[in-house]
Amino acid sequence: EAQVTQNPRYLITVTGKKLTVTCSQNMNHEYMSWYRQDPGLGLRQIYYSMNVEVTDKGDVPEGYKVSRKEKRNFPLILESPSPNQTSLYFCASSLAAYYEQYFGPGTRLTVT
Amino acid sequence: GQQVMQIPQYQHVQEGEDFTTYCNSSTTLSNIQWYKQRPGGHPVFLIQLVKSGEVKKQKRLTFQFGEAKKNSSLHITATQTTDVGTYFCAGPNNNAGNMLTFGGGTRLMVKP
Repeated sequence: EAQVTQNPRYLITVTGKKLTVTCSQNMNHEYMSWYRQDPGLGLRQIYYSMNVEVTDKGDVPEGYKVSRKEKRNFPLILESPSPNQTSLYFCASSLAAYYEQYFGPGTRLTVT
Repeated sequence: GQQVMQIPQYQHVQEGEDFTTYCNSSTTLSNIQWYKQRPGGHPVFLIQLVKSGEVKKQKRLTFQFGEAKKNSSLHITATQTTDVGTYFCAGPNNNAGNMLTFGGGTRLMVKP
């Protein structure tokens, strides 16, 4: 089954404790991206990757890092989480940037 | 920067009534996508429009792309409770290649 998986689905952590949210797709997609969703603000792109070893900043990259060492995986790293990073995070993949996006189930992160 | 605005932000309708959400971009778009997110779920791709003035139908849903390719609409005829969710439009970010800009979404609630 074609899908995007994210782990964990829910995470409560404390300020400053490094965390990683994993994302994996099994569709051999070139393009992957991370979004955060906040009430009234829609989906905002954090980082995206056109292909392996190619990553670029989105609209809201501050406080986040990503890597794309393999085509299928695109982890999101928060080196020192802060409460303003409390949000719902979605990973997405697609054949290319402007094609249909396939979203993962989401990760709800709370930073206290 | 490029903005994609959606109105209304919320809409309550009685089951059987029609519903329309509008999407307006500050710049001309090469294409526009529509997504639906059910409560507690992730965005799911509905359709992509590419041509000026294009109209596409999916059962009770009608999608339209404006002649100037700066606006789009989604119309649902005779809403059902299964239509509940948030509808997002998204278009390529003209200021930053390879990124999608999402509108803030319209949350549809249907009273049975």
